[in-house]
Amino acid sequence: NAGVMQNPRHLVRRRGQEARLRCSPMKGHSHVYWYRQLPEEGLKFMVYLQKENIIDESGMPKERFSAEFPKEGPSILRIQQVVRGDSAAYFCASSPLGSREGIQYFGAGTRLSVL
Amino acid sequence: EDKVVQSPLSLVVHEGDTVTLNCSYEVTNFRSLLWYKQEKKAPTFLFMLTSSGIEKKSGRLSSILDKKELFSILNITATQTGDSAVYLCAAYSGGGADGLTFGKGTHLIIQP
Repeated sequence: NAGVMQNPRHLVRRRGQEARLRCSPMKGHSHVYWYRQLPEEGLKFMVYLQKENIIDESGMPKERFSAEFPKEGPSILRIQQVVRGDSAAYFCASSPLGSREGIQYFGAGTRLSVL
Repeated sequence: EDKVVQSPLSLVVHEGDTVTLNCSYEVTNFRSLLWYKQEKKAPTFLFMLTSSGIEKKSGRLSSILDKKELFSILNITATQTGDSAVYLCAAYSGGGADGLTFGKGTHLIIQP
């Protein structure tokens, strides 16, 4: 039973390029969450998605960041025109339908470095 | 704004010692408190607590929640070098805001 799969594990981009981070939830899970972890900081919630729907994007920066979870395929977190401040670890988590107590299972993260 | 504060931020002890990690929270519509262990990879789920005063236990780890005083503790007894990690505390409020609110974590180092 594979866990939450994220790829790539490491991503290097130059300023102004686009970054695409992928997340496949655990089998049977239909809820996906994205978090960002800056050095010396805790995980910060960015966005919560169900299939084809963004449920809560209150933690997403208003510009350059977008997320989707299509009917088929992984969830994608997209960062356009990356800047050095976007360098961070981005974690994806998933939970099953109907989880009421908030247990989320995390992937190993994608470490984005912006040169 | 929802807030979770962990203390200490870092802790160095010797193998065999017992440690207590603290987590306080201020969260609207609180539903549960979760503990995760983060090594150099995915945060791994440890405990989920919803009720005050009921200890959850898994091997040498245990945790308890106090909903009146708004805090939780994570205890690790007879520590081993493999317990070295960052321990994350998170609060879940649900009610439309479904992301977890995390503390900064406690970086625990167990010396042989």
